[in-house]
Amino acid sequence: GAGVSQSPRYKVAKRGQDVALRCDPISGHVSLFWYQQALGQGPEFLTYFQNEAQLDKSGLPSDRFFAERPEGSVSTLKIQRTQQEDSAVYLCASSLLGTPDLNTEAFFGQGTRLTVV
Amino acid sequence: AQSVTQLDSHVSVSEGTPVLLRCNYSSSYSPSLFWYVQHPNKGLQLLLKYTSAATLVKGINGFEAEFKKSETSFHLTKPSAHMSDAAEYFCVVRMFSGGYNKLIFGAGTRLAVHP
Repeated sequence: GAGVSQSPRYKVAKRGQDVALRCDPISGHVSLFWYQQALGQGPEFLTYFQNEAQLDKSGLPSDRFFAERPEGSVSTLKIQRTQQEDSAVYLCASSLLGTPDLNTEAFFGQGTRLTVV
Repeated sequence: AQSVTQLDSHVSVSEGTPVLLRCNYSSSYSPSLFWYVQHPNKGLQLLLKYTSAATLVKGINGFEAEFKKSETSFHLTKPSAHMSDAAEYFCVVRMFSGGYNKLIFGAGTRLAVHP
């Protein structure tokens, strides 16, 4: 497709369940970001990939969160043993180039809304 | 460290009246600043960006923003609001750290437009 695609759009998980969220970036985009957006808040950075390399995972809130991008295209964000505080919209964004081009636009997907009950 | 502060969490205007959404930034060097809009059930869309060229930046849908270094501000304006402008707006600064760029978002301003 032409844009960043995320699936599923909505996910309801029981507390303690593991979930996997998928991101299909724009084809050929080098950079891929994951963000977490809690209700009523701005998106907060989770992690960054440049091709298949995870260069920054400083925003991951706990070791229950894990992200991968094994072939440098599709990425998966996995959350183990989900907790209620994990309820949020998870956004994926991609951009064409790596760094240090400051003028590369980031394109966002529609997000996955995760509700933990 | 870079950060942005959006001064209003909610703004309500009448259709046809001007819009002003306020944003102040903090940056240790000349920043790249953006405004994004988020409509319900849609992805974040770039409205406009400032990257040290012209200080008055024009974006899509009639929006514009002015970079004022002396005031560390990057307020978003539109002369005449439309009902379709109702959405969440985010002021964003790009931070270069560890050899790559990442976007730092403000908390957002929800714009309501009433007839």
